[in-house]
Amino acid sequence: KAGVTQTPRYLIKTRGQQVTLSCSPISGHRSVSWYQQTPGQGLQFLFEYFSETQRNKGNFPGRFSGRQFSNSRSEMNVSTLELGDSALYLCASSTSPQGSGTDTQYFGPGTRLTVL
Amino acid sequence: AQKVTQAQTEISVVEKEDVTLDCVYETRDTTYYLFWYKQPPSGELVFLIRRNSFDEQNEISGRYSWNFQKSTSSFNFTITASQVVDSAVYFCAPLSGGGADGLTFGKGTHLIIQP
Repeated sequence: KAGVTQTPRYLIKTRGQQVTLSCSPISGHRSVSWYQQTPGQGLQFLFEYFSETQRNKGNFPGRFSGRQFSNSRSEMNVSTLELGDSALYLCASSTSPQGSGTDTQYFGPGTRLTVL
Repeated sequence: AQKVTQAQTEISVVEKEDVTLDCVYETRDTTYYLFWYKQPPSGELVFLIRRNSFDEQNEISGRYSWNFQKSTSSFNFTITASQVVDSAVYFCAPLSGGGADGLTFGKGTHLIIQP
């Protein structure tokens, strides 16, 4: 079974631009979560989608948004990019929602975003 | 919300030695889940083990074993007969509160296995 895939793997943007990252979960997985990893803050939870609905959201500004499609693929969008948004963005998928008891999350390779 | 502390920033051992990574977590929930992930230089987080708070026994899976002590809120992870390929950053991550805050990751322990 193919793992979680994320595209693109690398992105370079400039301040003020917006960016869209894509995540395709493992086949049959309906929950997709996004995490941001920076050297300063470590790994932080962004949000989780299940059945096209956002279930939970971490402590990030409204510039960070996402959505999930009927095939469970997910996208996250960051508008008005800031230098501090430079990070590795990781997507994870699981069969059931986080916290449901059967929800081991499997991660993709990540998208490395650099904001200049 | 949950918290996690990985006090060991970096550990360096010689190949074939056993190594234990420490993890202390905090949660107010009675039902929670604990995970260990590994992040090699490529960046992808690789799932290693999972423990539910209501599980009775510690387990061994190949060269991996873990020691869950609810009384001290610790979830330590041991690699037996370490190999160079085990070199990576290891993260402990609790999940509680119905998943509202997602996985909470510690700062990670950088494990270096020297040949």
